[in-house]
Amino acid sequence: DAKTTQPPSMDCAEGRAANLPCNHSTISGNEYVYWYRQIHSQGPQYIIHGLKNNETNEMASLIITEDRKSSTLILPHATLRDTAVYYCIVRVLRSNDYKLSFGAGTTVTVRA
Amino acid sequence: DAMVIQNPRYQVTQFGKPVTLSCSQTLNHNVMYWYQQKSSQAPKLLFHYYDKDFNNEADTPDNFQSRRPNTSFCFLDIRSPGLGDAAMYLCATSRGFVQGARDTQYFGPGTRLTVL
Repeated sequence: DAKTTQPPSMDCAEGRAANLPCNHSTISGNEYVYWYRQIHSQGPQYIIHGLKNNETNEMASLIITEDRKSSTLILPHATLRDTAVYYCIVRVLRSNDYKLSFGAGTTVTVRA
Repeated sequence: DAMVIQNPRYQVTQFGKPVTLSCSQTLNHNVMYWYQQKSSQAPKLLFHYYDKDFNNEADTPDNFQSRRPNTSFCFLDIRSPGLGDAAMYLCATSRGFVQGARDTQYFGPGTRLTVL
């Protein structure tokens, strides 16, 4: 089901920006890219999503390439509390609804 | 704060003994979802309700059922739990899908089910 590819893990220094890449080369023109994160033993937390244009909110920025085949989630100033599994998800459209198919995600460890 | 609530957070049941997990929401969302997340794996969608309409995923075992008596509550019933059903069960809600529009799912904290 998963239509995204992410590195399995990455480390980041506290206070620095964390750039999380995601490949979604088979994405269709009307499919959104969503990012969630899951801190250990908690439910997934919504971060951001976008279609074509770059997006920014209070948590992060989402940069989507012009061909939409890849994107990057940017956490501008990582803190220890940002340590989590980050999921890049393509929202798959179906006949009358959609599905978020979670892939393996990237385990991000923020180090002091 | 508006939120998605799951009770209990931890549930222990015996092999083959029916168990019910509950989810409630104060967001007044139309859609409620149930996901299963096994250890070290990604969440996997089991089914969802859009209002009163039940939508089952093709690969969800018959052992799993769901009920939604009203907008606020949704239940996951496991009729005869096996050892392989031990997992975190996540409830999520969203406003609902409109073609081409944005829709965000908000997750509860999950219920961790142990099968003895």
